[in-house]
Amino acid sequence: GAVVSQHPSRVICKSGTSVKIECRSLDFQATTMFWYRQFPKQSLMLMATSNEGSKATYEQGVEKDKFLINHASLTLSTLTVTSAHPEDSSFYICSAREPRQGYEQYFGPGTRLTVT
Amino acid sequence: KQEVTQIPAALSVPEGENLVLNCSFTDSAIYNLQWFRQDPGKGLTSLLLIQSSQREQTSGRLNASLDKSSGRSTLYIAASQPGDSATYLCAVKQYDMRFGAGTRLTVKP
Repeated sequence: GAVVSQHPSRVICKSGTSVKIECRSLDFQATTMFWYRQFPKQSLMLMATSNEGSKATYEQGVEKDKFLINHASLTLSTLTVTSAHPEDSSFYICSAREPRQGYEQYFGPGTRLTVT
Repeated sequence: KQEVTQIPAALSVPEGENLVLNCSFTDSAIYNLQWFRQDPGKGLTSLLLIQSSQREQTSGRLNASLDKSSGRSTLYIAASQPGDSATYLCAVKQYDMRFGAGTRLTVKP
């Protein structure tokens, strides 16, 4: 099956700094990627939809200036958490849509962000 | 807006029991429904994918059903084992995927 990777798997940063998380589709080209956030003991919440070569579409309540998404190539999308605060600490998961398999979504392993 | 609900939120059973997890969704215009397993602090493992035209899928001890018109799906786990302990998430796909809050399953030896 299609493989999606994320880097880093864990990151700890200080409040006020920015953190970049990468999402890569390893063996397919993904024109669309999705970013989800999961707080402890809660489900995944869609943050934004990332389309290659165009601006991301953010879900209601997600600050686009705080969560910068760049989908510059067909295999890479990045999420940058700017001026991170402790309340941004969460598990961030990306997924990529595989066009050759009925546009099924494949999920990355997630990135655990801790802001101190 | 699609809303996905999973019942129960938590379930604890002794080893060997058969069990059913429930998922309901408000908008029946879906492409597919997928059940995932998530272990603590880990990513998602896909268990079963049911296309909108299908009524059920089976894999080993797992069986998932879909009644699209009523907006319901069930995940049946036969002969549960301690290794089945995890959170089970249901997700429906339209343009994107929307998740339920999950059912935390504990299977006691």
